[in-house]
Amino acid sequence: AQTVTQSQPEMSVQEAETVTLSCTYDTSESDYYLFWYKQPPSRQMILVIRQEAYKQQNATENRFSVNFQKAAKSFSLKISDSQLGDAAMYFCAYRRSGNTPLVFGKGTRLSVIA
Amino acid sequence: KAGVTQTPRYLIKTRGQQVTLSCSPISGHRSVSWYQQTPGQGLQFLFEYFSETQRNKGNFPGRFSGRQFSNSRSEMNVSTLELGDSALYLCASSTTGNSYNEQFFGPGTRLTVL
Repeated sequence: AQTVTQSQPEMSVQEAETVTLSCTYDTSESDYYLFWYKQPPSRQMILVIRQEAYKQQNATENRFSVNFQKAAKSFSLKISDSQLGDAAMYFCAYRRSGNTPLVFGKGTRLSVIA
Repeated sequence: KAGVTQTPRYLIKTRGQQVTLSCSPISGHRSVSWYQQTPGQGLQFLFEYFSETQRNKGNFPGRFSGRQFSNSRSEMNVSTLELGDSALYLCASSTTGNSYNEQFFGPGTRLTVL
């Protein structure tokens, strides 16, 4: 079974600084997708960024970028120029190719300090 | 387009009762997935429905069931409630449910079992 591990239950960052959230996963599949989701307090979970395993280039979305190391099964999220609105739970998730469910890590709670 | 909606947003039940939660997907989306979110276990997949058929099922007891209607709206039912069923229940919709389609999450239904 696939597993996703987020080793940092909580992290904090100063406003305007950069923070990196870690994620490792375990799978024997070669075709899959990786995601970072953001869940603000009492608000809906939204997709931050996704990475297709077959793409070597790391995905970027504005201030959010990933470091995808397929051989190491590592998928970290870098948030640049952190803003107060970035404070949330961040979930790393894996999805095998096909009609398959998301497998989530336990999450990292990010606090942004003004 | 309206987002994924879930009703009710909050529920309080007692042990032994049953409960039905509802999810209305984004218009045009035919796949609806359900997840249970608890502090201890994190986010766990319950089941996925596509075109009124259960296509995937997670590792939950038979007390958890669901269905999907012809308009893609989905309900999940939990019978004989236990204290451990207290959780945030999230539903997510996507166009086909394939891994390359983004899943959009609803705000969740917070169930408290007393």
